[in-house]
Amino acid sequence: KNQVEQSPQSLIILEGKNCTLQCNYTVSPFSNLRWYKQDTGRGPVSLTIMTFSENTKSNGRYTATLDADTKQSSLHITASQLSDSASYICVVSFMDTGRRALTFGSGTRLQVQP
Amino acid sequence: DAGVIQSPRHEVTEMGQEVTLRCKPISGHNSLFWYRQTMMRGLELLIYFNNNVPIDDSGMPEDRFSAKMPNASFSTLKIQPSEPRDSAVYFCASTNTQRERFGELFFGEGSRLTVL
Repeated sequence: KNQVEQSPQSLIILEGKNCTLQCNYTVSPFSNLRWYKQDTGRGPVSLTIMTFSENTKSNGRYTATLDADTKQSSLHITASQLSDSASYICVVSFMDTGRRALTFGSGTRLQVQP
Repeated sequence: DAGVIQSPRHEVTEMGQEVTLRCKPISGHNSLFWYRQTMMRGLELLIYFNNNVPIDDSGMPEDRFSAKMPNASFSTLKIQPSEPRDSAVYFCASTNTQRERFGELFFGEGSRLTVL
């Protein structure tokens, strides 16, 4: 069964600290993996995409990694800011009977405190 | 450049009433998705249109839910009759499957539905 599991479910950190969010998937055949950020009361917005051949990709203070062998991805946030408080959703794209399909993780809710 | 536009942003209704949610996708996008988000179940795909044609509606909970896309710039999600368990945030998203090789979804701000 195609599944995406994220951990932790929620996380509280102090402003300025780093944190790492995890995403494990059993989706096959894998196409790509995206991390979305969802601010409270808003729609998700794509942060970064990882394809099969990519191991690391950075977008400002956000760095995503992908290990296609172990089917794991992580999102590392450096020097956290209050505005990083949001839910982070891992979405894996795969091919399903000839068309692209998506499986969503349940998200990690991050709270950055001053 | 306008994003995905949804209306209403908030809807409070009583059980049994009809609810219609509206979505205007980004101009030029050929695929439109309706998602439902709850704390318990996260984001769930309800239905997916490609070139205005429903491709996958396996996520539609039951016959009370219906969706239409009469043209490339408008879609509706209707719930009739509504029930309290339908309370959730409903998101519309769009993408261009020809231009966006890796399929980034662009989400609207959502419609928060409360059924009393």
